[in-house]
Amino acid sequence: AQSVAQPEDQVKVAEGNPLTVKCTYSVSGNPYLFWYVQYPNRGLQFLLKYITGDNLVKGSYGFEAEFNKSQTSFHLKKPSALVSDSALYFCAVRDQGTYKYIFGTGTRLKVLA
Amino acid sequence: NAGVTQTPKFRVLKTGQSMTLLCAQDMNHEYMYWYRQDPGMGLRLIHYSVGEGTTAKGEVPDGYNVSRLKKQNFLLGLESAAPSQTSVYFCASSSSQGIVYFGPGTRLTVT
Repeated sequence: AQSVAQPEDQVKVAEGNPLTVKCTYSVSGNPYLFWYVQYPNRGLQFLLKYITGDNLVKGSYGFEAEFNKSQTSFHLKKPSALVSDSALYFCAVRDQGTYKYIFGTGTRLKVLA
Repeated sequence: NAGVTQTPKFRVLKTGQSMTLLCAQDMNHEYMYWYRQDPGMGLRLIHYSVGEGTTAKGEVPDGYNVSRLKKQNFLLGLESAAPSQTSVYFCASSSSQGIVYFGPGTRLTVT
């Protein structure tokens, strides 16, 4: 079965510093991987996806993610964090057979001013 | 273009009552989903649909039923609400291109 894991419940980083939010995956076949962000009392918003191609994927709001097949990871990164990036971040994988999307448990990012 | 809309936004039920959550999308998406979000549990898939007239069980389907009579609508029913169903419910839709669009959520409390 397809799954993703987000090993950190919370990540804290100072404004202006680089940030990384970790995600590892377990899939059979080629992975379709996604990152979403959720601001308080809102639905989830799409940030970026990896389907095929370059291992470094660029997305919205200056975020990018690095796909690493050997480590089965898809970490979310940003070179310089903003206080406004503080939110809940979810990694997800799509099951290619059923079109189900399986989400991780989420990582709360707190950017300190 | 409203995207994905959900009705109602908030609801309080007593144990044993029933209700239906309504979801509509105007993007002509084939695939629709119902998730629940609970603290520390992330998003868990309740039921999903790969097209009009079809439904399938997700990770946590017990106590819920769904119907997709029209392509743009996906209904989630609770026949006999229980306190364990207190949660925030999100409807979502996607096309084969992969991006999932979420509704704003329904906050349900069962007392």
